[in-house]
Amino acid sequence: GAVVSQHPSRVICKSGTSVKIECRSLDFQATTMFWYRQFPKKSLMLMATSNEGSKATYEQGVEKDKFLINHASLTLSTLTVTSAHPEDSSFYICSARHSGSQETQYFGPGTRLLVL
Amino acid sequence: GDSVTQMEGPVTLSEEAFLTINCTYTATGYPSLFWYVQYPGEGLQLLLKATKADDKGSNKGFEATYRKETTSFHLEKGSVQVSDSAVYFCALSGGATNKLIFGTGTLLAVQP
Repeated sequence: GAVVSQHPSRVICKSGTSVKIECRSLDFQATTMFWYRQFPKKSLMLMATSNEGSKATYEQGVEKDKFLINHASLTLSTLTVTSAHPEDSSFYICSARHSGSQETQYFGPGTRLLVL
Repeated sequence: GDSVTQMEGPVTLSEEAFLTINCTYTATGYPSLFWYVQYPGEGLQLLLKATKADDKGSNKGFEATYRKETTSFHLEKGSVQVSDSAVYFCALSGGATNKLIFGTGTLLAVQP
């Protein structure tokens, strides 16, 4: 149980285009989802926290207009990287938490984004 | 603020060697503590957790004990395998938001 999927697993796009990444909880309802960014050989950086049906809470230094987050249902959250640039290339990982476990986050497999 | 410090890697061991990856934390209150593992090209998987002092989390031969007196949560395994090669992250969760705060990760490379 507690499986989280992400789609796509990897994406290559041209500079200036927008990319949408989906995060789904497959066998539980995720009241809260988190989006992280991981740089090579670095730890995970929390970008934002989203609760179903409300606006996401962004961490300091993360541009909300650049990284659009929508948590439309209890099983789906999306991250859209708008007008992507090469510096946005990274490994994006989502996680989900259900109401029965306020501490444990279940992570998706990640999405590798490469902006050319 | 809350923080997690873990030993820098890479840690290189021979198969069947004993593993210790040190992790210490700074936190107000009583956080929950976690070890996550990340295999190459994949996302993070929860390895084990402990929610209160003196709890021992264990899974797949790995274990870690929540030591409040030393603010530590060291990861140990008695006999590592090549398949244990991965990056291991120590993390804590606590406070009103229950956000996860990660250490920088430790790369473990096990050689046959």
